Amino acid sequence: QKEVEQDPGPLSVPEGAIVSLNCTYSNSAFQYFMWYRQYSRKGPELLMYTYSSGNKEDGRFTAQVDKSSKYISLFIRDSQPSDSATYLCAMGWTTDSWGKLQFGAGTQVVVTP
Amino acid sequence: DTGVSQDPRHKITKRGQNVTFRCDPISEHNHLYWYRQTLGQGPEFLTYFQNEAQLEKSRLLSDRFSAERPKGSFSTLEIQRTEQGDSAMYLCASSSPAQGGGYTFGSGTRLTVV
Repeated sequence: QKEVEQDPGPLSVPEGAIVSLNCTYSNSAFQYFMWYRQYSRKGPELLMYTYSSGNKEDGRFTAQVDKSSKYISLFIRDSQPSDSATYLCAMGWTTDSWGKLQFGAGTQVVVTP
Repeated sequence: DTGVSQDPRHKITKRGQNVTFRCDPISEHNHLYWYRQTLGQGPEFLTYFQNEAQLEKSRLLSDRFSAERPKGSFSTLEIQRTEQGDSAMYLCASSSPAQGGGYTFGSGTRLTVV
């Protein structure tokens, strides 16, 4: 069993819809949670990071962490075709931005006009 | 500063040849990481440096792989005697605990071993 599980998709939504992405994890030692967006043949781009359980909002993006259930989510409101990409969750063992990360396999999202 | 820079962007090599990749991190970031990503998978950790010290290496990093960060600035990743299974995207990232804010990745070097 992988430490971080993520549904590979593809997840297809119409423009303007809410995109809902999630990851589950098995290692309770993870302290730091991130979401990355990756376009084809490009490096991952950091979208959001958080340390604690609860919600964190940044523009159209909301990250949610539930440490008791070992579950994290990313919501994208008012989705646009430019949001079409692969979304990766990542987790770290420390509460600061250092040390290795464990990534999910990524969920491919397609937003159709 | 324009972010994390990786060179080359693409590399095609014959099996058995040696290759070297370079990463220039964000200048004020003292932590530097190498990851490998294959199609349909998330990045897998290879190794990381704090300044010039290599603090951790993955078991994925066989004896054919070596990474250096001689002056605590840029880093190189060398693969000796390449195999077809080495074909992947090699990603470099950097971070600064003092600044927080997560890890910044470069655009990667795509290696194809033929």
